[in-house]
Amino acid sequence: QVQLQESGPGLVKPSQTLSLTCTVSGGSISSGSYYWSWIRQPAGKGLEWIGRIYTSGSTNYNPSLKSRVTISVDTSKNQFSLKLSSVTAADTAVYYCARGDYYDPTTLGYFDLWGRGTLVTVSS
Amino acid sequence: EIVMMQSPATLSVSPGERATLSCRASQSVSSNLAWYQQKPGQAPRLLIYGASTRATGIPARFSGSGSGTEFTLTISSLQSEDFAVYYCQQYNNWPPVTFGGGTKVEIK
Repeated sequence: QVQLQESGPGLVKPSQTLSLTCTVSGGSISSGSYYWSWIRQPAGKGLEWIGRIYTSGSTNYNPSLKSRVTISVDTSKNQFSLKLSSVTAADTAVYYCARGDYYDPTTLGYFDLWGRGTLVTVSS
Repeated sequence: EIVMMQSPATLSVSPGERATLSCRASQSVSSNLAWYQQKPGQAPRLLIYGASTRATGIPARFSGSGSGTEFTLTISSLQSEDFAVYYCQQYNNWPPVTFGGGTKVEIK
């Protein structure tokens, strides 16, 4: 079955760029009409959607993070990636990659498959 | 941005009892609402989408209802593995999609 796995540095210095990769295994990232998202969760808090990408390269971002976020996809590697620039302590969180699905293309849809998450701490 | 509000923050329930969780949207999201279950140290798991459709492999004791701004997740007879935090998510008005603050279901 399809699985997602996040990878990347667990510690990032303030003002630097956080970079994470999600590897999709057990199936092609290009199959179906799915899209691929990043979602984060600060310790003990709720979930925040960061953005999404289709394998065509089309992206949508959370307006609150849009100026600092870039999501990209590499279909040859079955991976998609997150870059978040100018990080501060407020960006410390568990970062999840997730697969998005929808039945109505006018909606963004829901997340039916998640990675296990990776903790990223922003600290000097 | 649509704000999702969940209540109660914590729900204490005995095994075998029914649990009723509420989610309210700051404006109508039609039926474009999902529910997730999250256990400590784990990723969220999709339970319900379209307000009332169970995701693949989700037991029938989980049911969702509602539309517009008021939604309910009901667990008909709580099992030990159901004690967790539950989140609602709207995907009608975006960006961004937004999640509620969660309801923790704990053992009474």
